[in-house]
Amino acid sequence: GAVVSQHPSRVICKSGTSVKIECRSLDFQATTMFWYRQFPKKSLMLMATSNEGSKATYEQGVEKDKFLINHASLTLSTLTVTSAHPEDSSFYICSAGTGDGYTFGSGTRLTVV
Amino acid sequence: LAKTTQPISMDSYEGQEVNITCSHNNIATNDYITWYQQFPSQGPRFIIQGYKTKVTNEVASLFIPADRKSSTLSLPRVSLSDTAVYYCLVGDIPFRRGGYNKLIFGAGTRLAVHP
Repeated sequence: GAVVSQHPSRVICKSGTSVKIECRSLDFQATTMFWYRQFPKKSLMLMATSNEGSKATYEQGVEKDKFLINHASLTLSTLTVTSAHPEDSSFYICSAGTGDGYTFGSGTRLTVV
Repeated sequence: LAKTTQPISMDSYEGQEVNITCSHNNIATNDYITWYQQFPSQGPRFIIQGYKTKVTNEVASLFIPADRKSSTLSLPRVSLSDTAVYYCLVGDIPFRRGGYNKLIFGAGTRLAVHP
């Protein structure tokens, strides 16, 4: 089946630095990707939708200048958390439309210290 | 997208059958019902999808009554490895609309399987 590879699986960064998370579709072209954030014991919360070659569409309350999304190719979308702070510590998950459904990355555990 | 309601948590024992019911009173004519499974620190994984009556695959069965206002995910003979959160989502499937809907997740059902 369609696979999305997400890296890194976990990252620890210092407060004030930026972190980039990558999601690659391995065997299909992902025209649309979604980015989610998940806090412990909570459900997935949609952050933004990105279409290849277009600007991402952010959900209400998500700071577009803080969470930069790039989807410049049909196989790669990136989420950059800029000037990270401890409250940005969370589990970030990407998802891609596969043609007849959706597939999810394995997630990235971000810890900001 | 139709809102869904599931039990927050369920407990079971190894070897038992587990049925998780999801309510979706406002389901639309074109909506399908999809269930995902999520283990800790992993992304959700597709389990099963259906439109009406019954669907079965190697992992689970999905029962949908005629009015489609609810659905039941049935996991036969669960094992410890089935301990996870199960999400029920309702919406039109992508290829029918020519685009991709946002998947909005509800709270899910936290299933704990005990020895």
